Amino acid sequence: AQSVTQLDSQVPVFEEAPVELRCNYSSSVSVYLFWYVQYPNQGLQLLLKYLSGSTLVKGINGFEAEFNKSQTSFHLRKPSVHISDTAEYFCAVSAAAGNKLTFGGGTRVLVKP
Amino acid sequence: EAQVTQNPRYLITVTGKKLTVTCSQNMNHEYMSWYRQDPGLGLRQIYYSMNVEVTDKGDVPEGYKVSRKEKRNFPLILESPSPNQTSLYFCASSLSFRAMNTGELFFGEGSRLTVL
Repeated sequence: AQSVTQLDSQVPVFEEAPVELRCNYSSSVSVYLFWYVQYPNQGLQLLLKYLSGSTLVKGINGFEAEFNKSQTSFHLRKPSVHISDTAEYFCAVSAAAGNKLTFGGGTRVLVKP
Repeated sequence: EAQVTQNPRYLITVTGKKLTVTCSQNMNHEYMSWYRQDPGLGLRQIYYSMNVEVTDKGDVPEGYKVSRKEKRNFPLILESPSPNQTSLYFCASSLSFRAMNTGELFFGEGSRLTVL
Protein backbone atom coordinates (compact mmCIF):
# COMPACT_ATOMS: atom_id res chain seq x y z
CA ALA A 1 0.00 0.00 0.00
CA GLN A 2 1.10 3.55 -0.62
CA SER A 3 0.46 6.73 1.31
CA VAL A 4 1.21 10.43 1.03
CA THR A 5 1.73 12.98 3.79
CA GLN A 6 1.70 16.68 3.18
CA LEU A 7 3.32 18.19 6.20
CA ASP A 8 1.70 21.62 6.07
CA SER A 9 -2.03 22.13 5.83
CA GLN A 10 -1.68 25.88 5.23
CA VAL A 11 1.18 28.05 4.05
CA PRO A 12 0.81 31.84 4.10
CA VAL A 13 3.42 33.61 2.00
CA PHE A 14 4.03 37.15 0.79
CA GLU A 15 3.99 37.99 -2.90
CA GLU A 16 7.39 37.59 -4.58
CA ALA A 17 8.69 35.45 -1.70
CA PRO A 18 9.76 31.83 -2.25
CA VAL A 19 7.56 28.94 -1.17
CA GLU A 20 8.19 25.26 -0.47
CA LEU A 21 5.44 22.70 0.01
CA ARG A 22 6.53 19.48 1.63
CA CYS A 23 5.44 16.01 0.59
CA ASN A 24 6.57 12.64 1.88
CA TYR A 25 5.39 9.31 0.58
CA SER A 26 5.48 5.70 1.61
CA SER A 27 5.62 2.78 -0.79
CA SER A 28 7.33 -0.57 -1.00
CA VAL A 29 7.67 -0.40 -4.79
CA SER A 30 8.82 2.08 -7.43
CA VAL A 31 6.57 5.08 -7.65
CA TYR A 32 5.41 7.88 -9.87
CA LEU A 33 4.92 11.22 -8.12
CA PHE A 34 2.70 14.17 -8.94
CA TRP A 35 1.68 17.61 -7.84
CA TYR A 36 -1.78 18.93 -8.69
CA VAL A 37 -3.14 22.45 -8.18
CA GLN A 38 -6.74 23.35 -7.40
CA TYR A 39 -7.71 26.97 -7.93
CA PRO A 40 -10.82 28.23 -6.10
CA ASN A 41 -14.03 26.61 -7.37
CA GLN A 42 -12.19 24.53 -9.95
CA GLY A 43 -11.11 20.95 -10.41
CA LEU A 44 -7.54 19.74 -10.05
CA GLN A 45 -4.93 20.31 -12.74
CA LEU A 46 -1.65 18.49 -13.14
CA LEU A 47 1.22 20.81 -12.21
CA LEU A 48 4.13 18.44 -12.74
CA LYS A 49 5.12 14.80 -12.48
CA TYR A 50 8.07 12.54 -11.91
CA LEU A 51 8.07 9.23 -13.75
CA SER A 52 11.79 8.52 -14.17
CA GLY A 53 15.05 10.20 -15.11
CA SER A 54 16.15 13.55 -13.72
CA THR A 55 15.08 13.99 -10.13
CA LEU A 56 14.44 17.71 -10.65
CA VAL A 57 11.17 18.20 -12.45
CA LYS A 58 9.90 21.48 -13.85
CA GLY A 59 6.22 22.19 -14.22
CA ILE A 60 3.88 24.92 -15.30
CA ASN A 61 3.81 28.43 -13.84
CA GLY A 62 7.44 28.33 -12.64
CA PHE A 63 7.02 25.47 -10.17
CA GLU A 64 9.55 22.70 -9.74
CA ALA A 65 9.88 19.65 -7.52
CA GLU A 66 12.71 17.37 -6.53
CA PHE A 67 12.39 13.63 -6.06
CA ASN A 68 14.54 12.38 -3.20
CA LYS A 69 14.37 8.63 -3.02
CA SER A 70 16.44 8.26 0.15
CA GLN A 71 14.18 10.67 2.03
CA THR A 72 11.02 9.51 0.21
CA SER A 73 10.14 13.12 -0.50
CA PHE A 74 8.87 15.16 -3.41
CA HIS A 75 8.84 18.78 -2.26
CA LEU A 76 7.40 21.51 -4.46
CA ARG A 77 9.09 24.91 -4.79
CA LYS A 78 8.64 28.23 -6.48
CA PRO A 79 11.26 30.98 -6.12
CA SER A 80 8.83 33.90 -6.34
CA VAL A 81 5.07 33.54 -5.92
CA HIS A 82 2.29 35.67 -7.35
CA ILE A 83 -1.15 36.44 -6.00
CA SER A 84 -2.51 34.11 -8.68
CA ASP A 85 -0.69 31.15 -7.04
CA THR A 86 -3.25 31.23 -4.22
CA ALA A 87 -4.69 27.71 -4.43
CA GLU A 88 -4.68 24.31 -2.82
CA TYR A 89 -1.89 21.97 -3.82
CA PHE A 90 -2.06 18.19 -3.69
CA CYS A 91 0.78 15.71 -3.80
CA ALA A 92 -0.08 12.28 -5.19
CA VAL A 93 1.65 8.95 -5.74
CA SER A 94 1.02 5.88 -7.84
CA ALA A 95 2.92 2.64 -8.00
CA ALA A 96 4.78 2.28 -11.28
CA ALA A 97 2.95 -0.99 -11.89
CA GLY A 98 -0.09 0.01 -9.90
CA ASN A 99 -3.70 0.86 -10.46
CA LYS A 100 -4.52 3.92 -8.40
CA LEU A 101 -3.51 7.43 -7.48
CA THR A 102 -3.25 8.19 -3.77
CA PHE A 103 -3.57 11.84 -2.79
CA GLY A 104 -2.21 13.72 0.18
CA GLY A 105 -4.40 15.90 2.39
CA GLY A 106 -3.57 19.10 0.52
CA THR A 107 -1.75 22.33 1.36
CA ARG A 108 -3.53 25.65 1.09
CA VAL A 109 -1.26 28.44 -0.14
CA LEU A 110 -2.40 31.98 0.55
CA VAL A 111 -0.30 34.61 -1.17
CA LYS A 112 -0.52 37.99 0.53
CA PRO A 113 0.27 41.30 -1.15
CA GLU B 1 -13.56 22.28 -25.85
CA ALA B 2 -12.35 19.15 -24.04
CA GLN B 3 -14.05 18.94 -20.69
CA VAL B 4 -15.54 16.91 -17.90
CA THR B 5 -18.98 18.22 -16.94
CA GLN B 6 -20.66 17.53 -13.63
CA ASN B 7 -24.20 18.38 -12.56
CA PRO B 8 -25.43 19.70 -10.27
CA ARG B 9 -22.60 21.90 -9.05
CA TYR B 10 -24.34 22.56 -5.75
CA LEU B 11 -27.05 20.58 -4.01
CA ILE B 12 -28.65 20.63 -0.58
CA THR B 13 -30.79 17.61 0.18
CA VAL B 14 -32.21 15.67 3.12
CA THR B 15 -31.32 12.32 4.57
CA GLY B 16 -32.70 9.42 2.60
CA LYS B 17 -33.69 11.26 -0.56
CA LYS B 18 -32.09 9.49 -3.51
CA LEU B 19 -29.95 11.64 -5.75
CA THR B 20 -27.74 11.30 -8.81
CA VAL B 21 -24.72 13.39 -9.74
CA THR B 22 -24.07 13.19 -13.44
CA CYS B 23 -20.66 13.22 -15.09
CA SER B 24 -20.00 13.46 -18.81
CA GLN B 25 -16.75 13.73 -20.77
CA ASN B 26 -16.32 14.59 -24.45
CA MET B 27 -12.79 13.25 -24.93
CA ASN B 28 -13.61 9.61 -25.70
CA HIS B 29 -11.78 8.59 -22.55
CA GLU B 30 -11.89 4.98 -21.42
CA TYR B 31 -11.14 5.56 -17.73
CA MET B 32 -13.44 7.49 -15.40
CA SER B 33 -13.46 7.90 -11.66
CA TRP B 34 -15.28 9.55 -8.76
CA TYR B 35 -13.54 11.14 -5.79
CA ARG B 36 -14.72 12.88 -2.68
CA GLN B 37 -12.70 15.70 -1.15
CA ASP B 38 -12.84 16.36 2.58
CA PRO B 39 -10.71 18.85 4.54
CA GLY B 40 -7.40 17.34 5.60
CA LEU B 41 -8.14 14.04 3.87
CA GLY B 42 -7.40 15.06 0.32
CA LEU B 43 -9.18 13.18 -2.45
CA ARG B 44 -10.38 9.66 -1.84
CA GLN B 45 -11.55 7.43 -4.65
CA ILE B 46 -15.14 6.19 -4.49
CA TYR B 47 -15.51 4.14 -7.67
CA TYR B 48 -13.75 3.88 -10.98
CA SER B 49 -14.42 2.47 -14.42
CA MET B 50 -11.86 1.14 -16.86
CA ASN B 51 -14.35 1.06 -19.72
CA VAL B 52 -18.02 0.62 -20.58
CA GLU B 53 -19.74 -1.87 -18.28
CA VAL B 54 -16.56 -2.26 -16.18
CA THR B 55 -16.67 -0.65 -12.74
CA ASP B 56 -14.87 -1.31 -9.48
CA LYS B 57 -14.76 -0.04 -5.93
CA GLY B 58 -12.27 2.53 -4.77
CA ASP B 59 -11.30 3.26 -1.20
CA VAL B 60 -14.64 4.60 0.08
CA PRO B 61 -17.49 2.97 -1.90
CA GLU B 62 -19.98 2.50 0.95
CA GLY B 63 -23.26 4.30 0.32
CA TYR B 64 -22.59 4.92 -3.37
CA LYS B 65 -23.41 3.24 -6.67
CA VAL B 66 -22.21 3.90 -10.20
CA SER B 67 -22.95 2.71 -13.69
CA ARG B 68 -21.14 2.97 -17.02
CA LYS B 69 -23.60 2.19 -19.78
CA GLU B 70 -22.04 4.61 -22.23
CA LYS B 71 -18.42 5.62 -22.63
CA ARG B 72 -19.03 9.31 -22.04
CA ASN B 73 -21.21 9.10 -18.90
CA PHE B 74 -20.44 7.92 -15.39
CA PRO B 75 -23.19 8.92 -12.93
CA LEU B 76 -22.76 8.68 -9.16
CA ILE B 77 -25.85 7.53 -7.29
CA LEU B 78 -26.57 8.03 -3.61
CA GLU B 79 -29.53 5.74 -2.90
CA SER B 80 -30.10 6.95 0.65
CA PRO B 81 -27.84 9.91 1.43
CA SER B 82 -26.67 10.49 4.98
CA PRO B 83 -25.01 13.55 6.57
CA ASN B 84 -21.58 11.87 6.47
CA GLN B 85 -21.81 12.04 2.67
CA THR B 86 -21.71 15.83 2.81
CA SER B 87 -18.65 16.54 0.73
CA LEU B 88 -17.16 17.96 -2.45
CA TYR B 89 -17.31 15.41 -5.24
CA PHE B 90 -15.11 15.29 -8.32
CA CYS B 91 -15.43 13.26 -11.47
CA ALA B 92 -12.27 12.66 -13.47
CA SER B 93 -11.43 10.94 -16.73
CA SER B 94 -8.34 9.73 -18.51
CA LEU B 95 -7.55 8.39 -21.96
CA SER B 96 -6.74 4.99 -20.48
CA PHE B 97 -5.93 3.28 -17.22
CA ARG B 98 -2.24 3.59 -18.04
CA ALA B 99 -2.57 7.32 -18.69
CA MET B 100 -4.34 7.68 -15.34
CA ASN B 101 -1.44 5.96 -13.62
CA THR B 102 0.95 8.53 -15.10
CA GLY B 103 -1.14 11.38 -13.73
CA GLU B 104 -3.01 12.37 -16.89
CA LEU B 105 -6.39 12.90 -15.23
CA PHE B 106 -8.90 15.54 -16.31
CA PHE B 107 -11.17 16.75 -13.52
CA GLY B 108 -14.61 18.26 -13.53
CA GLU B 109 -15.28 21.42 -11.54
CA GLY B 110 -16.80 19.59 -8.61
CA SER B 111 -20.22 19.10 -7.06
CA ARG B 112 -20.74 20.35 -3.52
CA LEU B 113 -23.30 18.20 -1.77
CA THR B 114 -24.86 18.94 1.61
CA VAL B 115 -27.04 16.31 3.28
CA LEU B 116 -29.17 17.61 6.16
